[in-house]
Amino acid sequence: EIVLTQSPGTLSLSPGERATLSCRASHSVSSTFLAWYQQKPGQAPRLLIYGASSRATGIPDRFSGSGSGTDFTLIISRLEPEDFAVYYCQQYGSSEVTFGGGTKVEIK
Amino acid sequence: QVQLQESGPGLVKPSQTLSLTCTVSGDSISSGSYYWSWIRQPAGKGLEWIGRIYTSGTTNYNPSLKSRVTMSVDTSKNQFSLKLSSVTAADTAVYYCARINFGENYYYFYMDVWGKGTTVTVSS
Repeated sequence: EIVLTQSPGTLSLSPGERATLSCRASHSVSSTFLAWYQQKPGQAPRLLIYGASSRATGIPDRFSGSGSGTDFTLIISRLEPEDFAVYYCQQYGSSEVTFGGGTKVEIK
Repeated sequence: QVQLQESGPGLVKPSQTLSLTCTVSGDSISSGSYYWSWIRQPAGKGLEWIGRIYTSGTTNYNPSLKSRVTMSVDTSKNQFSLKLSSVTAADTAVYYCARINFGENYYYFYMDVWGKGTTVTVSS
């Protein structure tokens, strides 16, 4: 099983600031099988990024993803009030899916 | 626009079997290169993948749950289902169904459509 470790656990930032979220895999992951999701309280997760760097339909360009191998990053260039949420990375490999533990982006 | 809706009992007794159904609307469950998946989330915790199913009936399950999980699909009803046996309090969670999209030529893997989730509590 590939374990995804997200850091930091919590990120305290102000609107307008840049958020950098990390997702590290215990073994190499195919970048085409790496996705990021946003989840707000009481809601289902929403797909943000797939293929490590491709934005999903309707996702603003302030969200960007990058990385390969075992290190992946989600950047929110300028935080908007609606961006404060929990973010999860997810990988698929060997017919199994795993999620990272999540990073909470909270208002400072 | 494809939508997913989970349904099933909100309360299940310990040692019994949890049964949930996900109804797909807005498109045929058989169209496109999609798998269909279940994910759960205990209160205040992260996401855990339970498994996936294709319309052919092909399945893959989380190894940690494999001995207790059965998924099935009913294309005539545009539904897929989850059964989790021998439940305990640790199975209390919000259960989501989701569509797995592989993109063109099965190049990608991502969950692009999610149901709103249904809360299942295991308690006597």
